Amino acid sequence: EVQLVESGGGLVQPGGSLRLSCAASGFTFSTYRMHWVRQAPGKGLVWVSRINSDGSSTSYADSVQGRFTISRDNAKNTLYLQMNSLRAEDTAVYYCVRDRQGDFDYWGQGTLVTVSS
Amino acid sequence: EIVMTQSPATLSVSPGERATLSCRASQSVNSNLAWYQQKPGQAPRLLIYGASTRATGIPARFSGSGSGTEFTLTISSLQSEDFAVYYCQQYNNWPKTFGQGTKVEIK
Repeated sequence: EVQLVESGGGLVQPGGSLRLSCAASGFTFSTYRMHWVRQAPGKGLVWVSRINSDGSSTSYADSVQGRFTISRDNAKNTLYLQMNSLRAEDTAVYYCVRDRQGDFDYWGQGTLVTVSS
Repeated sequence: EIVMTQSPATLSVSPGERATLSCRASQSVNSNLAWYQQKPGQAPRLLIYGASTRATGIPARFSGSGSGTEFTLTISSLQSEDFAVYYCQQYNNWPKTFGQGTKVEIK
């Protein structure tokens, strides 16, 4: 069974940092492109970042470019999102997502990040 | 960036009735269109990919159609578990973008 389990969310002050993790199991993690997608409270889904299967290529939404860094450790079957210079508008549930062939076939349960003083 | 527009924002339907949800892209996305269902407090679930192919385990009452810029998700006979928010997503161009969602509620 495919499982994606996020962790690392919490309350952080504006300007602070947080690192999210996503533990993957039930599939060959190293062969899949992975993404982070976020959802602000009561709002829709927004793609944040993606990384290719071997970690050699990444991309970011304009809103997080230069502040967030996506990475992965295929030996540990884990995806990461390092978030720096956090702003109130980064408050959201962050989902770890598996890329099937462009669409997203498995989602984690999400981890809530709250940026507030 | 491709803008995805869903209509209506809210759809009130009685159980057993048919629901038709629309999604329009600001430019062609070919058939690179997916639909997701999200229930309160849960993660989204993939329903349809390639505009019309049901994902694994998705009941046959869900069907997708369209190509280019106009897409439709049809739920042929709404069950109680189908009341949720539905999102379309294009994956033809970067960045991948979602529509704002259609809430299907009980009439």
